[in-house]
Amino acid sequence: QKEVEQDPGPLSVPEGAIVSLNCTYSNSAFQYFMWYRQYSRKGPELLMYTYSSGNKEDGRFTAQVDKSSKYISLFIRDSQPSDSATYLCASYTSGTYKYIFGTGTRLKVLA
Amino acid sequence: DAGVTQSPTHLIKTRGQQVTLRCSPKSGHDTVSWYQQALGQGPQFIFQYYEEEERQRGNFPDRFSGHQFPNYSSELNVNALLLGDSALYLCATQALAGPETQYFGPGTRLLVL
Repeated sequence: QKEVEQDPGPLSVPEGAIVSLNCTYSNSAFQYFMWYRQYSRKGPELLMYTYSSGNKEDGRFTAQVDKSSKYISLFIRDSQPSDSATYLCASYTSGTYKYIFGTGTRLKVLA
Repeated sequence: DAGVTQSPTHLIKTRGQQVTLRCSPKSGHDTVSWYQQALGQGPQFIFQYYEEEERQRGNFPDRFSGHQFPNYSSELNVNALLLGDSALYLCATQALAGPETQYFGPGTRLLVL
């Protein structure tokens, strides 16, 4: 079993839709949870990070972590065609220096 | 600030050859991690360098080795290349120990024939 599981998609939504992207993880020691966005042929860029459980909001993006169910979510409101990219979730434990990534979900927002 | 830079951008090698990839960190960053990203997959952690020492390693064979220089730049070396080594190799740098400070470079795309 992979430590971080993510549905690879692809996920196609119309412009303006609310997008929900999800990951599950198996390692209870994970403390930090990140979401990265990766455009084609580019390196990942950090969108959001959360320490432990809870919600974090930044503009149209909301990250949510539920440690009791080991579930990580990213919500995108009012999605735009420019949001079309691969979204990667990642987890990290202090002192291990290792980031564990999911496979990424390909998102396409249709104009 | 140029951010994280990597060279070369693309590389074609044949099986059995050796390759060296290079990474220059974002200004103020002293920690360098290397990742392998196969097509359709997420990045897989290879190793991390800090203070010129490898301080953590993922599940990669000894054919993968690295180095960090006093100016914090880094190299990834892969010996005896296999077809399965074809991937995007990403360098990520960060400051102190904060995972939220990790920035990725654009990657080097390696094709092994």
